[in-house]
Amino acid sequence: KQEVTQIPAALSVPEGENLVLNCSFTDSAIYNLQWFRQDPGKGLTSLLLIQSSQREQTSGRLNASLDKSSGRSTLYIAASQPGDSATYLCAAPIDPEGTYKYIFGTGTRLKVLA
Amino acid sequence: SAVISQKPSRDICQRGTSLTIQCQVDSQVTMMFWYRQQPGQSLTLIATANQGSEATYESGFVIDKFPISRPNLTFSTLTVSNMSPEDSSIYLCSVLGQEGGYTFGSGTRLTVV
Repeated sequence: KQEVTQIPAALSVPEGENLVLNCSFTDSAIYNLQWFRQDPGKGLTSLLLIQSSQREQTSGRLNASLDKSSGRSTLYIAASQPGDSATYLCAAPIDPEGTYKYIFGTGTRLKVLA
Repeated sequence: SAVISQKPSRDICQRGTSLTIQCQVDSQVTMMFWYRQQPGQSLTLIATANQGSEATYESGFVIDKFPISRPNLTFSTLTVSNMSPEDSSIYLCSVLGQEGGYTFGSGTRLTVV
């Protein structure tokens, strides 16, 4: 059964720092993995979707990598800004056979201090 | 990717009442999904809404408590019935894109008093 874990649960950094958020999954036979941002009380905004054939995806200051063999994905945020403060969630398919159901990690709550 | 309009964005409701949440998608989609996020928790799938058929509910969720409608390929509603304070959560609708990633609505923050 797929399980998704995110470490750390919370992170506080000064503005300008580069940082890495971690996502671990137990079943490595996934076909993609998705990273989201959630502001307090709001919905989820998709940041990056990595297909199993890709090793990384980039969007602006964000870079996500996927290592299926080790069951890990990382989200790298360069030159962090106070506006990056939010909860970051990763999600992976529950069933690597290809169903549409995803399981979500519990998230990393990021605070970037001005 | 699809754009989803979800409303209401938040509501405070009396226990014992019901609230209907609406999601409108700007394109036709086969499946829509409803999630619940309890305070401090991650997302839990409530059900999958398919047009023209009954919704498929996950373990622990029943139709009497969370009736879902899907009248066409761009619209769905979730009703939270006979509410109690334990139903206080963020409710989210989502759709699956062609490449496999999810797009979410802006969420409904429900507080039951």
